[in-house]
Amino acid sequence: EPEVTQTPSHQVTQMGQEVILRCVPISNHLYFYWYRQILGQKVEFLVSFYNNEISEKSEIFDDQFSVERPDGSNFTLKIRSTKLEDSAMYFCASRLSLGETQYFGPGTRLLVL
Amino acid sequence: AQTVTQSQPEMSVQEAETVTLSCTYDTSESDYYLFWYKQPPSRQMILVIRQEAYKQQNATENRFSVNFQKAAKSFSLKISDSQLGDAAMYFCAYRSRATSGTYKYIFGTGTRLKVLA
Repeated sequence: EPEVTQTPSHQVTQMGQEVILRCVPISNHLYFYWYRQILGQKVEFLVSFYNNEISEKSEIFDDQFSVERPDGSNFTLKIRSTKLEDSAMYFCASRLSLGETQYFGPGTRLLVL
Repeated sequence: AQTVTQSQPEMSVQEAETVTLSCTYDTSESDYYLFWYKQPPSRQMILVIRQEAYKQQNATENRFSVNFQKAAKSFSLKISDSQLGDAAMYFCAYRSRATSGTYKYIFGTGTRLKVLA
């Protein structure tokens, strides 16, 4: 069964450094998402992406964040200058069409020191 | 704005027994989807069951079923014959139509389910 994959599974970085979180959505899916979950809290929507552009973004997704689909298979989330409060589990998800269910990846645990 | 509320931070159930997890939501939309996701210790989010708001019949998926009360804006998950592998965090989610015409998901705070042997 196809699945969403994410790399790395864990990332430790220093405050102020740039990080890139990578996701490979299910191959024929068209809609892509990033979510984050701070430890012990609920899952929060960050951004949705369709047709090579951002469709919707939350207030969390400020200028420090960007997303890209550089090669038609990977879907990346970049944090330009990480802050301590960016420490969280980041989930990628993809969906075939508007009527279909989202499939989530296993997540990347980001720790900012 | 839509909200999703899960009022039970933690629930326990004996193996083979039945447990019901509660979820309420608030919306002014008439057409939407509701979901229950399971998040085991591995942290991956797994879809358990989904319900289309226009369908009156409650969704069922093997041992999992929902009690969808649209007027009351309630969407509870019933797990029958609970198994040790059911132990996880369960999230209720509402699929909202975003302003751009696409969708985004709004999650509740989760209910941690413990299954006792």
